[in-house]
Order: sequence, then structure tokens, then C-alpha cells
Amino acid sequence: NAGVTQTPKFRVLKTGQSMTLLCAQDMNHEYMYWYRQDPGMGLRLIHYSVGEGTTAKGEVPDGYNVSRLKKQNFLLGLESAAPSQTSVYFCASSYEAGTYNEQFFGPGTRLTVL
Amino acid sequence: KQEVTQIPAALSVPEGENLVLNCSFTDSAIYNLQWFRQDPGKGLTSLLLIQSSQREQTSGRLNASLDKSSGRSTLYIAASQPGDSATYLCAVENSSASKIIFGSGTRLSIRP
Repeated sequence: NAGVTQTPKFRVLKTGQSMTLLCAQDMNHEYMYWYRQDPGMGLRLIHYSVGEGTTAKGEVPDGYNVSRLKKQNFLLGLESAAPSQTSVYFCASSYEAGTYNEQFFGPGTRLTVL
Repeated sequence: KQEVTQIPAALSVPEGENLVLNCSFTDSAIYNLQWFRQDPGKGLTSLLLIQSSQREQTSGRLNASLDKSSGRSTLYIAASQPGDSATYLCAVENSSASKIIFGSGTRLSIRP
């Protein structure tokens, strides 16, 4: 099993450009999450999904959109990138929420917005 | 609002020592607390998950404890090795909002 994979691994954008980050998991997990990690701030939840066709806002959703058309994929979109979105983005998945919500993480995407 | 704090931000100890990493949280209404390890430039690897009804979990040289009433968790690493050098993060899942809040991590360095 590949676990959680993310593409691309690195990307440089100019302000105003758009892009989509792809997360895929092969563990048949219901829950998927997008986080951003900034120096000294830990991970912050951007959006999450509790199943195919569902999405919900996390702690820092502004400037991002997501879609979960297939159970195994969770896409994160930036419509008009800003320098403040320079960060490392992590995708995670879990079988269920609640008491036993063990999260599995992808390797991350390092995004720089100039 | 749930806040998760990890102190110290960085820790350096000689190889072979036993050590404790700390995690504190402000809202005791949690489903679980999870400890992760992150190597430089890599993703997070789950180490231990403690359910809200549990007091501790063990895996090899690692032991994590949870005291919900005081809002504290500790990660105990026995007989530390240079390969244990990494950043360790704790995260709690709120039972009220089903959201996971991370601490900012403790960067651990084990000196040979």
C-alpha cells in the first residue's frame, strides 16, 4: 500500500496564479484533511471531508477550495495565490473520527508564492 | 477555544538518557490525543494515540500518558538514541467540534 500520496512535491507560483494540489489514499479511509504548516505555528486545518462528496471548513479556510469527488482523492485549490499562502501543505486521512481517529499523513507539498 | 502548548520548543540531551516531552491543552473535552514524529522535510508519523478513556499507551521505548483533568500529556522516551532526533508534535481531537488541534512541537536533538 502506498498510504497517503501528494502531488506535486514542490511548486513555485507567482501572485495571482492558480493551482490544485492532489491527495490520494489507498486505505479506504472516509475522512481526509488538508493542513498547512508554518514555522513556529504547528499544523492548522484548512478543510476536511467526512466522506465522498462532502467538505467542511477548518480553522483557516479562506483563499482555498476543496473537492472530494472520489473517496480516495481530496483536492485542494488555490484560485488566486498570495504570498501569505507560502507554506508546506500536508494531507492526512483516517478511518473514522472520534475516539480512535488515528491520522496518516502524506509527505507534504512545499509551495512558494512570489 | 482549544489551545495546545508544547514546552520546551527545543531540547538537547546526551545519548542514553531517558527524557520526557510535555503537551498541555486547555479544553478537557477531547476524544483522543495523538503524538507524532516529524523528520526534517518529511511528513508526520503517528507514534501513539491515547483515547479519552485511557491513561497511557506504550510502544517499544515510548510511553505516552494522558491526564484529562489537568489537561496534560507526556511522552516518555527511554534510553534515547541519535535516531530519535526529530520534532515531536502532539494533537488533540475536540469532542465538541470534531477538529484536531496541533501543538507547535518540540525539536529534540540526541547528542552521540
